[in-house]
Amino acid sequence: AQSVSQHNHHVILSEAASLELGCNYSYGGTVNLFWYVQYPGQHLQLLLKYFSGDPLVKGIKGFEAEFIKSKFSFNLRKPSVQWSDTAEYFCAVNAGFQKLVFGTGTRLLVSP
Amino acid sequence: EAGVAQSPRYKIIEKRQSVAFWCNPISGHATLYWYQQILGQGPKLLIQFQNNGVVDDSQLPKDRFSAERLKGVDSTLKIQPAKLEDSAVYLCASSPIKGTSGAAYEQYFGPGTRLTVT
Repeated sequence: AQSVSQHNHHVILSEAASLELGCNYSYGGTVNLFWYVQYPGQHLQLLLKYFSGDPLVKGIKGFEAEFIKSKFSFNLRKPSVQWSDTAEYFCAVNAGFQKLVFGTGTRLLVSP
Repeated sequence: EAGVAQSPRYKIIEKRQSVAFWCNPISGHATLYWYQQILGQGPKLLIQFQNNGVVDDSQLPKDRFSAERLKGVDSTLKIQPAKLEDSAVYLCASSPIKGTSGAAYEQYFGPGTRLTVT
């Protein structure tokens, strides 16, 4: 069965620090990968997505993620975080007909 | 473009009571999803509709949960009777595209309904 692992449950960073959140998936077919973000008090929204082509994808607010097929990974990165990046981040992989499986999420706290 | 609407935003009930949640997807979106998100976990799919037909309800506890999508637009999710372990945020999402392309998996989420069962 498809699954997603996010190993970092809580991450605390100072502003301007670099960020990398891990995401590993298991899925045997054609992979579509997503990172969603949930800011405090807001709904889940799409941060970036990988469907095919260039394995380095760029999303909103300076985030990027790299799809490494050999490692079954889709890690999220940002070179310099801001206080406003404080949120919960979810990795997701396609599974079945238009269906997503989500990881358990990583709570990021950025201190000013 | 209006987003996915959900109501109520918060609900507190006692165990064994019943509760219903409502969702209005983005106009024109054929696929609608209901997720359960327990504190500290990622969203878990409960049921998926394509227009007004059920595509996947394999993780829906059918002894107490039911859902319908009348006329392929709005949807309601009901719990009867509720248990303590049903305390969670119930998320509705919709997707604009049918088929198997990557874009078909892109989902738009509503604000959720936070249910507390006491």
